[in-house]
Amino acid sequence: AQSVAQPEDQVNVAEGNPLTVKCTYSVSGNPYLFWYVQYPNRGLQFLLKYITGDNLVKGSYGFEAEFNKSQTSFHLKKPSALVSDSALYFCAVRDMNNNAGNMLTFGGGTRLMVKP
Amino acid sequence: DAMVIQNPRYQVTQFGKPVTLSCSQTLNHNVMYWYQQKSSQAPKLLFHYYDKDFNNEADTPDNFQSRRPNTSFCFLDIRSPGLGDAAMYLCATSRDYPVGDNEQFFGPGTRLTVL
Repeated sequence: AQSVAQPEDQVNVAEGNPLTVKCTYSVSGNPYLFWYVQYPNRGLQFLLKYITGDNLVKGSYGFEAEFNKSQTSFHLKKPSALVSDSALYFCAVRDMNNNAGNMLTFGGGTRLMVKP
Repeated sequence: DAMVIQNPRYQVTQFGKPVTLSCSQTLNHNVMYWYQQKSSQAPKLLFHYYDKDFNNEADTPDNFQSRRPNTSFCFLDIRSPGLGDAAMYLCATSRDYPVGDNEQFFGPGTRLTVL
């Protein structure tokens, strides 16, 4: 079975400060890991993914995430937050060894609030 | 631009009155998914199509059905909506599975209100 945990329901950060949104995962094999962002009344937008290779993955809008196998984590980071980054963020995982389809398991979401 | 389109964006129906939500894609992807999302919670997968093959999640109620008449279109039918079915319904596509780095592309969603 695969699972994802986002331990923080909400993260508050001041504009210009670095931000981190946490994600930990559990899979039986090796993971594919994804981050999506959702703005109000919109669908999910893909931010970045980890498949293999370099543990630091760079994505859209200046976001990056670091894959840490020993800690089974894939935290989302940005060096300098913008007010426009305020949104709901979802981490998702798929077990590479799961041949039952391209089924993603989503975390519960973390609301990011960036204050001016 | 290639994209996933959902119509309508907002749908109001009455308790027990059948409703159909529409999704179309110009990405020519093999896989189409329907998710239900309530109150900023994680999206919950209802079912998906791989080409014409329908795959239902074990806990999806029988009240929810789907049709995929061709590669581009997929419909979600709710036969007798209850108040608990009010939610955002998200359609997504992916190129293929199970191998590969196939991220899912989401439509903007349809927000369903049940009166």
